[in-house]
Amino acid sequence: QSVLTQPPSVSGAPGQRVTISCTGSNSNIGAGYDVHWYQQLPGTAPKLLIYDNVNRPSGVPDRFSGSKSGTSASLAITGLQAEDEADYYCQSYDSSLSVVFGGGTKLTVL
Amino acid sequence: QITLKESGPTLVKPTQTLTLTCSFSGFSLSTSGVGVGWIRQPPGKALEWLALIYWDDDKRYSPSLKTRLTITKDTSKNQVVLTMTNMDPVDTGTYYCAQYFGTSGYHDYWGQGTLVTVSS
Repeated sequence: QSVLTQPPSVSGAPGQRVTISCTGSNSNIGAGYDVHWYQQLPGTAPKLLIYDNVNRPSGVPDRFSGSKSGTSASLAITGLQAEDEADYYCQSYDSSLSVVFGGGTKLTVL
Repeated sequence: QITLKESGPTLVKPTQTLTLTCSFSGFSLSTSGVGVGWIRQPPGKALEWLALIYWDDDKRYSPSLKTRLTITKDTSKNQVVLTMTNMDPVDTGTYYCAQYFGTSGYHDYWGQGTLVTVSS
């Protein structure tokens, strides 16, 4: 059972917009800790996609955006492309002094 | 260019101790704000964070695994070592090391991962 809760799967057609939620608690996201997102393509290591809630590392398309409110955060992907099909993970920090991940969300592009 | 690479045994027996080494280049673990962490992923399952060591030798561990984990660094060799005791078949998975930035930050550069199988 992951500390951060994500939907197991989401799907969308090419060109559509999808969102992935990440729900925590007052000991992690709600305590003010930042949320970060990773993309894991099949058979590869995770890649940082969004950091500090809303920032994109160099090279990440602006189709990807992040937001945070209260004890939750969201990742939005607009203009969905076949290459976006992957697993997505949120991550934050917890008052137990440990890094915490979400359970991951599998994005299927229909 | 920042790179990290994990090394260690691919097969360990139950009850044995696993020792993994993360060798990195392109950054120094003596730079303020920098850390190196370990994350694992059982086959077909989610990422699980294990441990983190900071530039100042401060250490953090997963609460559920802390009695079994030890993380150390050798700044002169650009290496971080993770040991996990009393290995069990449920510990089978891919183990990643990754650079960590910030006090409550993120893993911005990852190694390719190394698959560890626990079996007799």
